[in-house]
Amino acid sequence: GENVEQHPSTLSVQEGDSAVIKCTYSDSASNYFPWYKQELGKRPQLIIDIRSNVGEKKDQRIAVTLNKTAKHFSLHITETQPEDSAVYFCAASVGRGAQKLVFGQGTRLTINP
Amino acid sequence: DVKVTQSSRYLVKRTGEKVFLECVQDMDHENMFWYRQDPGLGLRLIYFSYDVKMKEKGDIPEGYSVSREKKERFSLILESASTNQTSMYLCASIASGRGGEQFFGPGTRLTVL
Repeated sequence: GENVEQHPSTLSVQEGDSAVIKCTYSDSASNYFPWYKQELGKRPQLIIDIRSNVGEKKDQRIAVTLNKTAKHFSLHITETQPEDSAVYFCAASVGRGAQKLVFGQGTRLTINP
Repeated sequence: DVKVTQSSRYLVKRTGEKVFLECVQDMDHENMFWYRQDPGLGLRLIYFSYDVKMKEKGDIPEGYSVSREKKERFSLILESASTNQTSMYLCASIASGRGGEQFFGPGTRLTVL
């Protein structure tokens, strides 16, 4: 079946440095790629997404890049801050309509002051 | 304001008990999902529903069933709870269309003793 691999599983960076999380997907029909952030004890929330007709998207300190040929996409966080500490999940759409998602295993990001 | 609620935040049940987890959304969304979240495994789809009385199996449906009698409510049923079903259960919903943000509930932490 469809699969999304996410790396690394844990990431620790110094405050102010950049963080990069990478995902690969298996379904060539996937056309929607969201990233969710889950703070401790809270529900996952969408932070940024990208569709297959776009190669890069940026929103302030976060950006996502997509390489359809290689079937991988990445989340980039610049100038990291303590409030960026959370678990991040990538996902890829499957099937028609792009409502159904397959999630990666998650990355626990820790920002060290 | 978008809202997805789940019937319980914490639940403790005994092996063999029948367990009901309920999810309600107030956004008139057609699609609703039940996920299971375990450390290192990400969010795995148990079942989803794209309309009232319609359901499809996700990646890990064994040991679970679902019910959707009204558009706003999606129930997850564990017919005979087992210890390996101890987990965090998350409900989500999304409107039909080209994909977009799935809105998550706060989660139910289920412990089966």
